[in-house]
Amino acid sequence: AAGVIQSPRHLIKEKRETATLKCYPIPRHDTVYWYQQGPGQDPQFLISFYEKMQSDKGSIPDRFSAQQFSDYHSELNMSSLELGDSALYFCASSRTGTGANVLTFGAGSRLTVL
Amino acid sequence: AQSVTQLDSQVPVFEEAPVELRCNYSSSVSVYLFWYVQYPNQGLQLLLKYLSGSTLVKGINGFEAEFNKSQTSFHLRKPSVHISDTAEYFCAVQSGYNKLIFGAGTRLAVHP
Repeated sequence: AAGVIQSPRHLIKEKRETATLKCYPIPRHDTVYWYQQGPGQDPQFLISFYEKMQSDKGSIPDRFSAQQFSDYHSELNMSSLELGDSALYFCASSRTGTGANVLTFGAGSRLTVL
Repeated sequence: AQSVTQLDSQVPVFEEAPVELRCNYSSSVSVYLFWYVQYPNQGLQLLLKYLSGSTLVKGINGFEAEFNKSQTSFHLRKPSVHISDTAEYFCAVQSGYNKLIFGAGTRLAVHP
């Protein structure tokens, strides 16, 4: 079965640089979520999109922005990178229906800021 | 607002022993509850979920969890663990707009 695809899997950047992470949801999934997991931490919700519109916002820094495109893939743009941005970034997708939406997570993109 | 508390940050156990990973949640509305597993350097994999119905839910790899509304708990259990179960386990509650709120995680270390 198709899974959530994230790219790149690993990324190394210098401080003050910019990074872009991409997420391709499971086909027919209409909602995408972004999470940030620092070393030894639990995943923290950043932002989500439903049908290409922002649906919810969490602890996403102002230096970060994201969007969902017409083909439902999503990109997380991070500017003015700081050392503290080093983390594992997960994307998840779900299909809206009645009741709970079960999120399926990608393998994550590991960002290292030097 | 919802929140999740995982009572144990680390649980060491010997192979073939039973294990219970504890999870308590806080919510003023009906909740959906999940357990995810994260193996080293990997993503989050869904173990099991409670949406409604039977309070005992069975998941993959022999894990099960019991939803207890009166105690606001959703503890994860396995009767006999394997070395390969060594991983980080996250309990999560689904809140408004369907995002998951995770607990701090429990590191299960299975020793031979």
